[in-house]
Amino acid sequence: AQSVTQLGSHVSVSEGALVLLRCNYSSSVPPYLFWYVQYPNQGLQLLLKYTSAATLVKGINGFEAEFKKSETSFHLTKPSAHMSDAAEYFCAVSSSGGSYIPTFGRGTSLIVHP
Amino acid sequence: NAGVTQTPKFQVLKTGQSMTLQCAQDMNHNSMYWYRQDPGMGLRLIYYSASEGTTDKGEVPNGYNVSRLNKREFSLRLESAAPSQTSVYFCASSWTSGSYNEQFFGPGTRLTVL
Repeated sequence: AQSVTQLGSHVSVSEGALVLLRCNYSSSVPPYLFWYVQYPNQGLQLLLKYTSAATLVKGINGFEAEFKKSETSFHLTKPSAHMSDAAEYFCAVSSSGGSYIPTFGRGTSLIVHP
Repeated sequence: NAGVTQTPKFQVLKTGQSMTLQCAQDMNHNSMYWYRQDPGMGLRLIYYSASEGTTDKGEVPNGYNVSRLNKREFSLRLESAAPSQTSVYFCASSWTSGSYNEQFFGPGTRLTVL
């Protein structure tokens, strides 16, 4: 079985501050991990993905995430928040331990203050 | 490439009315999905289709039916709409290879049932 937990339904940061969105997963086998972003009134789009090639993954718009097997985590970070980063962020996992259908976290809403 | 397209973008129904949400993808993906998104609930899988000619229930299938018309198209039907079906509906597609499943999402259909 596989599961995803995103800590914090809302995260608020000031423009220019560090962004940290937390994702912990549960999987009995090596997983594939994804972060998706959803801007207001739009569909989800892929931000970055972990496919076991490298533990530090870089995505679009300056975001990156680090796969830590010992902590079963895949936290999303960005050194300096921009107003345009305000969106909903979803972490997802797919693995052979579950069906091939990804399991999504409940999402974290990132609020950026000027 | 248009990616994943959905029609209509918005719809208002009265309780008991029926409607079909349309979805098409032009990426030659084998798998297609229907999700609903409600505040605080994240994405919940309604139905999916692993390949042309097959469909399976997801987490919340009650009150819905689907048709995988061909490889490109996957429709979702509400036979007798209820207020509890007020939601944003997303179609997604993917080329599944083993347990790797990167999904591509449409822009969504915003449905209100009065």
